[in-house]
Order: sequence, then structure tokens, then C-alpha cells
Amino acid sequence: GAVVSQHPSRVICKSGTSVKIECRSLDFQATTMFWYRQFPKQSLMLMATSNEGSKATYEQGVEKDKFLINHASLTLSTLTVTSAHPEDSSFYICSARTTVSDGYTFGSGTRLTVV
Amino acid sequence: GQQVMQIPQYQHVQEGEDFTTYCNSSTTLSNIQWYKQRPGGHPVFLIQLVKSGEVKKQKRLTFQFGEAKKNSSLHITATQTTDVGTYFCAGFTGANSKLTFGKGITLSVRP
Repeated sequence: GAVVSQHPSRVICKSGTSVKIECRSLDFQATTMFWYRQFPKQSLMLMATSNEGSKATYEQGVEKDKFLINHASLTLSTLTVTSAHPEDSSFYICSARTTVSDGYTFGSGTRLTVV
Repeated sequence: GQQVMQIPQYQHVQEGEDFTTYCNSSTTLSNIQWYKQRPGGHPVFLIQLVKSGEVKKQKRLTFQFGEAKKNSSLHITATQTTDVGTYFCAGFTGANSKLTFGKGITLSVRP
């Protein structure tokens, strides 16, 4: 089946630094990838839709200058949390789907802790 | 905007008991998906329902899409400890719409 690889799985960074999270589709091409954020015991909140070769589409309330998304190839999307602050600490997950009839395949997630 | 609701958020059952949970949408859905997330893990796709009244089974799990395509149910027969996790439903309203997730229901099973 489809596999989405996400790393790092965990990262601890200092306040004010930037962190890059990578999401790769291993055995299929993903023209679109989705980035979610999940707080403890909460649902998945869509942050942005990453489109290969074009600008990402951000959800209302998500700062595009803070959460930089790049989708330079059909198999790689990256999310960079810039100037991270403790309130950015969360679980970030990417996902993609192979066809319209398939469900979403999620990466394993990245737990970001900003200290 | 579209809302997908799952209530309650937590349910505890004794191993061997049956479990049913429901998902309701404020708008008609083109399809609905169910995912399971184990503690500390990521969501894993379980099933997609497309047709009005559709019923699909996966071993002890039975999924149903309502006739009006505004609600769905997940039924687990004779729960096991391996069924522990959070079950999310998620729906699309149209071809170019976004997948909207419910808040999920966290199932715990007492051995």
C-alpha cells in the first residue's frame, strides 16, 4: 500500500529557532499533500494544502509566514516552523492520497517541543 | 462551514461487549471515511463509504452510511483490547472540498 514517510519523528528546539519537517511519498506521486496539527487528545486540524509546483493554500488563521510550506517535487513536501515559540509545540502530521477513491495515508507525525 | 460531529469523545467498555459510535454532519456528504489512531500513533485509514445506505464490514467492524448521507456509524462486535484507540470519522462535501475530521471518540477496553 501507499506509504508516506515523515521525519523527524521528534524534535526539541529552542524558542526562536526554525524547524523543518519533511514528508515523502515513497511509492507514489503526490501532487497534493496536506499538513495537519493535532493537540493532545484533540482532532486533526488542517493547516494547509501543499501543491506541487505552486503555492500552498493555507487555512484561515494559519500564518503562512510562520509555517512555510514547500512542495518542490511530486514526492516531497516540507513544513518549516519559523521562529518557533512554546505555543507551537504540537504534533504535526502530513498526509496524501493516491487516488480519489482512496483514503488518506498519513505520515507517522512529528512531535515538536519548543523550549 | 461544514461540521462533523462525534459525541461522546470517550467511551469505556468491558472486553467482549459490543460498541457503537456515531458521526453526524451538518451538511450532506459525498463520502465519509473512518480512521483509527492508536495511542502515540498516527491515523490509519479504515474504510470509505460513498453510497447512501452503504454497509461495509471488516472482520468485527461494521460501517454504515446513512440514507441521507449525513451520518454514519461504526459498530464493533465483541471488543478486544486491540480495538483501543481513537476513531475519527471524516467527510467530504464535494469533489473539490476538504476532508473535515470529527473530534474522534477514544475507546478504552477493560480486559
